[in-house]
Amino acid sequence: QKEVEQNSGPLSVPEGAIASLNCTYSDRVSQSFFWYRQYSGKSPELIMSIYSNGDKEDGRFTAQLNKASQYVSLLIRDSQPSDSATYLCAVINRGSTLGRLYFGRGTQLTVWP
Amino acid sequence: DVKVTQSSRYLVKRTGEKVFLECVQDMDHENMFWYRQDPGLGLRLIYFSYDVKMKEKGDIPEGYSVSREKKERFSLILESASTNQTSMYLCASRLGGTSGYSTDTQYFGPGTRLTVL
Repeated sequence: QKEVEQNSGPLSVPEGAIASLNCTYSDRVSQSFFWYRQYSGKSPELIMSIYSNGDKEDGRFTAQLNKASQYVSLLIRDSQPSDSATYLCAVINRGSTLGRLYFGRGTQLTVWP
Repeated sequence: DVKVTQSSRYLVKRTGEKVFLECVQDMDHENMFWYRQDPGLGLRLIYFSYDVKMKEKGDIPEGYSVSREKKERFSLILESASTNQTSMYLCASRLGGTSGYSTDTQYFGPGTRLTVL
């Protein structure tokens, strides 16, 4: 059973600050990682994916992967109230085309004006 | 744009009824999934399918069954609905299969909020 752990939060940051969301996983074979954002009452939508060690940037979002320490994080720079949502971390084994994503329970983020 | 649709946004049923939740995707995806989501428990996988007529149990299959007769459609069936099955149900699809990769994006439908009275 693969375990994906996230701080449940809530994480509260002021507008303009950096929000840091963390995720750890138990299976060393896990090699593809995804961050989903879920607004209240809506379904999850993909915002970032990362497969290699290091940082991957997309606009205000940066995903960081450290396979040796088995964690992946998501940084949101210049946080906006519209970033307030639950963020889900998901992992899958590389090469697994038939397999499933394993999700963490999510971290609730609130960005206050 | 990938589109995953679910038959109902809101559904109210009575205990003991047989309930069908339907999901359709329009991108020729091999893999389809059914989850339920409850506050504090996150997304929990009920069943998934990687091909027509193929299914795999997820983490909480008890009380549910599924059907995949056509590639684009994946149905979740509650044989005899109970109040503890009141939840948000989310369908998802992903390319997968021999043409796909583990990097494929998984897309979610809008969800069905089911209330069992």
